[in-house]
Amino acid sequence: GQNIDQPTEMTATEGAIVQINCTYQTSGFNGLFWYQQHAGEAPTFLSYNVLDGLEEKGRFSSFLSRSKGYSYLLLKELQMKDSASYLCAVDNDYKLSFGAGTTVTVRA
Amino acid sequence: GAGVSQSPSNKVTEKGKDVELRCDPISGHTALYWYRQSLGQGLEFLIYFQGNSAPDKSGLPSDRFSAERTGGSVSTLTIQRTQQEDSAVYLCASSSETGGPGNTIYFGEGSWLTVV
Repeated sequence: GQNIDQPTEMTATEGAIVQINCTYQTSGFNGLFWYQQHAGEAPTFLSYNVLDGLEEKGRFSSFLSRSKGYSYLLLKELQMKDSASYLCAVDNDYKLSFGAGTTVTVRA
Repeated sequence: GAGVSQSPSNKVTEKGKDVELRCDPISGHTALYWYRQSLGQGLEFLIYFQGNSAPDKSGLPSDRFSAERTGGSVSTLTIQRTQQEDSAVYLCASSSETGGPGNTIYFGEGSWLTVV
């Protein structure tokens, strides 16, 4: 079976940094995705990691360690619009298995 | 089209009725997925279509659920004899490849189903 764990909620202050951890145990692995989902909207793609290490994309960075079954999404210089749910998803052959999502609340 | 299009965007139905949800994927995308998201929950995989291959139906929760994809494009998810626990957002997604970075899947806005 697939097991993807991430914290339920996180709160941070505008301008700060937040790190969202994701651990996974899956029967297959072809890469790990992070998606952002605002309330009432569809998930949108943020990042993809298939090799170990850090991928940086503007204010957002994603890290992967395949040996540890671990990833994190780092959000820097938080803005109010970053308040959303962040979904960790493992590419297992051809389909994505999603975690339950981490709701990030950014406070002024 | 420019994005994944789903209809209806909202559907309220009575328990026991059948519903059909439609998905029009991004033009040229060969892979199509249906996911379900209940309130406050993660995305639950339902079914996957890829080209002319047999679909992966392993995520369908019961035999009341079925899906078709005609002509390799538009897909219809049918729920028969709806139950209250079927209330959720049904998300359709498509991608141009299978596996790897090309497997970035793009979601539609979802069909919000409420069974009363």
